[in-house]
Amino acid sequence: QVQLQESGPGLVKPSGTLSLTCAVSGGSISSSNWWSWVRQPPGKGLEWIGEIYHSGSTNYNPSLKSRVTISVDKSKNQFSLKLSSVTAADTAVYYCARVVDVVVITFDPWGQGTLVTVSS
Amino acid sequence: SSELTQDPAVSVALGQTVRITCQGDSLRSYYASWYQQKPGQAPVLVIYGKNNRPSGIPDRFSGSSSGNTASLTITGAQAEDEADYYCNSRDSSGNHGVFGGGTKLTVL
Repeated sequence: QVQLQESGPGLVKPSGTLSLTCAVSGGSISSSNWWSWVRQPPGKGLEWIGEIYHSGSTNYNPSLKSRVTISVDKSKNQFSLKLSSVTAADTAVYYCARVVDVVVITFDPWGQGTLVTVSS
Repeated sequence: SSELTQDPAVSVALGQTVRITCQGDSLRSYYASWYQQKPGQAPVLVIYGKNNRPSGIPDRFSGSSSGNTASLTITGAQAEDEADYYCNSRDSSGNHGVFGGGTKLTVL
């Protein structure tokens, strides 16, 4: 079964760039699925960040679009998130997830999540 | 602000039935998916599509939809069902994902 694992720095300085990678195991990132990033600030709800297909096609949350880049590395079976110009408001647990139904954007499974703190 | 609206908190007596709702204009066009999240854990898909349960999800969980409202029903709530529940779907443009604000379910 497909499993996802996020990795990356747990601390990023304000105005810097947050960079995370999601490794996919048990399946191919080149399958007929989209792949997505979702975040959750401490004590708050879930926020969709964006999604990518193995062809490189992407969709982003309009509120984050100017700062977000999602890319895919098929050779490593992984996809990545970059979020630039970060502030304390970007402190959150970041999850990667497989999109199993692209029409209604159903996520399954999810990675375990990784906490990223923005602080000097 | 979220384009999907959920009640912040709902409670249910042990063994009783509870309905958690999710409202939004996009739900007239798209089904909602539902996720259960327990403290310190990643969300888990419990209902998707018209009324589908992933493998391993108890059949006390069911989904329904009418107009702009999607509902998650737990029939015979158990103590282990106490969690936060989130709905999600596409937004009205169909190009972006959106989540409801979440409902905290307390089992009394």
